Amino acid sequence: DGGITQSPKYLFRKEGQNVTLSCEQNLNHDAMYWYRQDPGQGLRLIYYSQIVNDFQKGDIAEGYSVSREKKESFPLTVTSAQKNPTAFYLCASSQTGQNQPQHFGDGTRLSIL
Amino acid sequence: RKEVEQDPGPFNVPEGATVAFNCTYSNSASQSFFWYRQDCRKEPKLLMSVYSSGNEDGRFTAQLNRASQYISLLIRDSKLSDSATYLCVVREGTASKLTFGTGTRLQVTL
Repeated sequence: DGGITQSPKYLFRKEGQNVTLSCEQNLNHDAMYWYRQDPGQGLRLIYYSQIVNDFQKGDIAEGYSVSREKKESFPLTVTSAQKNPTAFYLCASSQTGQNQPQHFGDGTRLSIL
Repeated sequence: RKEVEQDPGPFNVPEGATVAFNCTYSNSASQSFFWYRQDCRKEPKLLMSVYSSGNEDGRFTAQLNRASQYISLLIRDSKLSDSATYLCVVREGTASKLTFGTGTRLQVTL
């Protein structure tokens, strides 16, 4: 089945630790995105990538890093610099083009121990 | 002013009712519009794109009013399974990034 796979589904982090969230897609989409969603709030864009080996900061990039070494993979690292990392993290992908919607993975819930 | 604004609800309606949501956007250069549905603690799923002339998909109708900068979603004959949060989503021009509203919660009851 084609789709977007995020792992793990649940992740616990100790303070001061970096953690990496995985996102893989087999839809052959060029563009990939990372969002954060906090309770009762909308999605906020962390980073996005429109092509391999290139990515741009979104609205809340501080404390996060990404890489895009392969078209199908866009991992997100939550660093110790992110002071409030507890949230629901969503990865999405899309074809490039004006009217192309984004399709989401089923998310990773990150909590601080 | 928020870039994309929605009434958070909740809208509580009986099964079989017709319900409509509006969403306003601030950037007149916005070019693409979508409605997504998000169930509790799940990922958003595309419900439908919104086209300039309006479009329908079964019980769902989407409309765009560029002059007043709002989009709407009409749900006819509501089902219990329609209970969810409906997200209004806007793309500015040819940019890749989308801007999401905070969502309108719908609860359909017996």
